[in-house]
Amino acid sequence: NAGVTQTPKFQVLKTGQSMTLQCAQDMNHEYMSWYRQDPGMGLRLIHYSVGAGITDQGEVPNGYNVSRSTTEDFPLRLLSAAPSQTSVYFCASSFAGLGQAFFGQGTRLTVV
Amino acid sequence: GESVGLHLPTLSVQEGDNSIINCAYSNSASDYFIWYKQESGKGPQFIIDIRSNMDKRQGQRVTVLLNKTVKHLSLQIAATQPGDSAVYFCAVTMNSGYSTLTFGKGTMLLVSP
Repeated sequence: NAGVTQTPKFQVLKTGQSMTLQCAQDMNHEYMSWYRQDPGMGLRLIHYSVGAGITDQGEVPNGYNVSRSTTEDFPLRLLSAAPSQTSVYFCASSFAGLGQAFFGQGTRLTVV
Repeated sequence: GESVGLHLPTLSVQEGDNSIINCAYSNSASDYFIWYKQESGKGPQFIIDIRSNMDKRQGQRVTVLLNKTVKHLSLQIAATQPGDSAVYFCAVTMNSGYSTLTFGKGTMLLVSP
């Protein structure tokens, strides 16, 4: 039972490049979410999903796209990376609501 | 909206002491409160939660207290151990957590032997 798996763990991008951060969970959770964590800050919600085919915006959605075609997977797409998107990204899943969430190990993204 | 603040960015305690980490929130409509622990290099880990219809909830060595009058909650850790060293975040939400979730900036707990 792997829980929440994020790939890659580290990534360096050039400004303007695009990429997809992968997130998969094997707990059959309906809720999945993406957060970013900047130094000295708490986590900020980017997007979340309440089930396959349903997504919604969080606090800081600009510059990011998501989709949820299956219960297990919730990828986060950066369409045109900017230095302001340098951060650590966490994916989480939960059975009901956003509260009691299981988090992945994070992806450290640097945009140069 | 909601803003969540913590009173201390760092808390240093001796092993065996009791630790108290505080959190303040702004929106009186908030109804669900969660504490997470984040160890270095890892994702946050759920510790305990409390709903607005309760004032206190206890887990294993942890207690969360909620004071809705002054919009304040605290996490108490009994007999703190070196393994408790981590950053602790409170998170606050309305609508029982079915919409957004707002995190505080975190308190780093340092436990010395």
